[in-house]
Amino acid sequence: ETGVTQTPRHLVMGMTNKKSLKCEQHLGHNAMYWYKQSAKKPLELMFVYSLEERVENNSVPSRFSPECPNSSHLFLHLHTLQPEDSALYLCASRDSNTDTQYFGPGTRLTVL
Amino acid sequence: TQLLEQSPQFLSIQEGENLTVYCNSSSVFSSLQWYRQEPGEGPVLLVTVVTGGEVKKLKRLTFQFGDARKDSSLHITAAQPGDTGLYLCAGEGMNRDDKIIFGKGTRLHILP
Repeated sequence: ETGVTQTPRHLVMGMTNKKSLKCEQHLGHNAMYWYKQSAKKPLELMFVYSLEERVENNSVPSRFSPECPNSSHLFLHLHTLQPEDSALYLCASRDSNTDTQYFGPGTRLTVL
Repeated sequence: TQLLEQSPQFLSIQEGENLTVYCNSSSVFSSLQWYRQEPGEGPVLLVTVVTGGEVKKLKRLTFQFGDARKDSSLHITAAQPGDTGLYLCAGEGMNRDDKIIFGKGTRLHILP
């Protein structure tokens, strides 16, 4: 148990659906991240939030829309996704004192 | 573009054997991290190395950072089934704006 939770753990959606992924941390960290993990590819950093402000957007398509309403919660809103967006989406929070990232268990997303 | 190459991609060995996995790049990193990821979970940080030539030990795991801070190795002595998992290395660039990058990982399977 790392203190970072993600829901849902599994999600199957059609290309026309709208869904949201949720991440929650109660570790007192001020930075949160979204990563995409695809088979046979390195972990890809998607978004970084620091003190609830987006500080990095790694050229992610607009069909992925992040939201950080407070320092404990991070969302990833999904709409009109493509089958190639199927992947494990990982959330992480960062301890600024040790520069350690703590990952959640991920949401396994399948786009049909 | 910074890249981290991990080798081998897959490794299956018998319990009790020793093994080494590698993480190589042509880029210099300010620090390098090793993670282990088990099925259905997010990556968990094992160690961070920051000084060229640094060696860190974690029980049966020995991590080394290359003198030039471009490469790293992970050596496991007397591997056990509990060591099974995906081992990821991640590097932080020298500049403040550099993004953390991950290798594709080495999938290790220890046979009982």
